[in-house]
Amino acid sequence: AQSVTQLGSHVSVSEGALVLLRCNYSSSVPPYLFWYVQYPNQGLQLLLKYTSAATLVKGINGFEAEFKKSETSFHLTKPSAHMSDAAEYFCAVSDPISSGSARQLTFGSGTQLTVLP
Amino acid sequence: ETGVTQSPTHLIKTRGQQVTLRCSSQSGHNTVSWYQQALGQGPQFIFQYYREEENGRGNFPPRFSGLQFPNYSSELNVNALELDDSALYLCASSLGQVDSYEQYFGPGTRLTVT
Repeated sequence: AQSVTQLGSHVSVSEGALVLLRCNYSSSVPPYLFWYVQYPNQGLQLLLKYTSAATLVKGINGFEAEFKKSETSFHLTKPSAHMSDAAEYFCAVSDPISSGSARQLTFGSGTQLTVLP
Repeated sequence: ETGVTQSPTHLIKTRGQQVTLRCSSQSGHNTVSWYQQALGQGPQFIFQYYREEENGRGNFPPRFSGLQFPNYSSELNVNALELDDSALYLCASSLGQVDSYEQYFGPGTRLTVT
């Protein structure tokens, strides 16, 4: 089974500063990787996904992530933080459920992003 | 296009009781996955349904069961509730078994077991 590690359960940045949320994965096969955002008392919203096309993936709300196979990383960045970015962010890897083609998502433990005025 | 909806929003049950949570998948999606998200943790995969059949299961006991209906909506049933079952239950829909990696989540049902 694949796994995901998110370094830093809490990250604080000032408004306008760079956002960097770290994600490392373990996988024996080329992975499908995702970042989701969760606002308080809400479900998960897909920010972006990597499915073996371009290694630099652009998502919604100005976020992007770069797939680095040599580092087994998929870190999420945004050049300039906005107050509305405050939320919890989850990195996930698509994991085959069984020998078939169905897949589940395996999530990291999440990173709570705080944006300071 | 209608997104994934879940009901109820919140639920309080007593230990030992049974609960049913409901999910309507996004229009055109035929695969539904259920996840449990305990407080302060990432979601954990419970099971997946594809064309009314259970398609795979995570590390959850048999008292967690489900159904998928011909219109692709789904239910999650939990019997003999335990305190540790208190969590946010998320439903996610996707299109097809092969493409089930791209999953769209509903707002969740917050279950509290007392």
